[in-house]
Amino acid sequence: GAVVSQHPSWVICKSGTSVKIECRSLDFQATTMFWYRQFPKQSLMLMATSNEGSKATYEQGVEKDKFLINHASLTLSTLTVTSAHPEDSSFYICSASPTGLDGYTFGSGTRLTVV
Amino acid sequence: QKEVEQDPGPLSVPEGAIVSLNCTYSNSAFQYFMWYRQYSRKGPELLMYSYSCGNKVAGRFTAQVDSSSKYISLFIRDSQPSDSATYLCAMNNAGNMLTFGGGTRLMVKP
Repeated sequence: GAVVSQHPSWVICKSGTSVKIECRSLDFQATTMFWYRQFPKQSLMLMATSNEGSKATYEQGVEKDKFLINHASLTLSTLTVTSAHPEDSSFYICSASPTGLDGYTFGSGTRLTVV
Repeated sequence: QKEVEQDPGPLSVPEGAIVSLNCTYSNSAFQYFMWYRQYSRKGPELLMYSYSCGNKVAGRFTAQVDSSSKYISLFIRDSQPSDSATYLCAMNNAGNMLTFGGGTRLMVKP
């Protein structure tokens, strides 16, 4: 089955630093990947749609300059949280689909804690 | 009104019970329907996906879509304590972003 690998699984960083999260499709190519954020006891919230070779599409209320997305190849998308603050502490998850239609597979998630 | 509504629970059932989880939606353009299981501190795991109407069975899980009523269900038979998790429904229209329900927390007690 389709496998999406996300790294790191957890990270603690100091306020003001930047953190990069990688999302890789291991056995398929994905022109589109999605980045979600999940706060405790809440559902997933879409942050942005990552498009290979072009700019990401951000959801309303998500700061483009703070959450930098790069989709440089058909198997890799990265999310960089710049100048992280404690309120950015959350669970970040990516997803992709081999068909682009259904059966989206999620990465294992990255728990970011900003202190 | 949210596009996808899902009772947050928690839903507590005894081991062996049949569990029924449901979502309603308002966007008639949705064609692809998915159910995810998410354990605490883990990413969602795809359980089942289906297209448009009808039933789909995989082991103890049955997914049902009624597009005329804009209602989808996930049934779990012979529920086990290991089924205790949050179940998320999700849907989309041909490659567009997924729209999620809020998730239902299920607790299966031994």
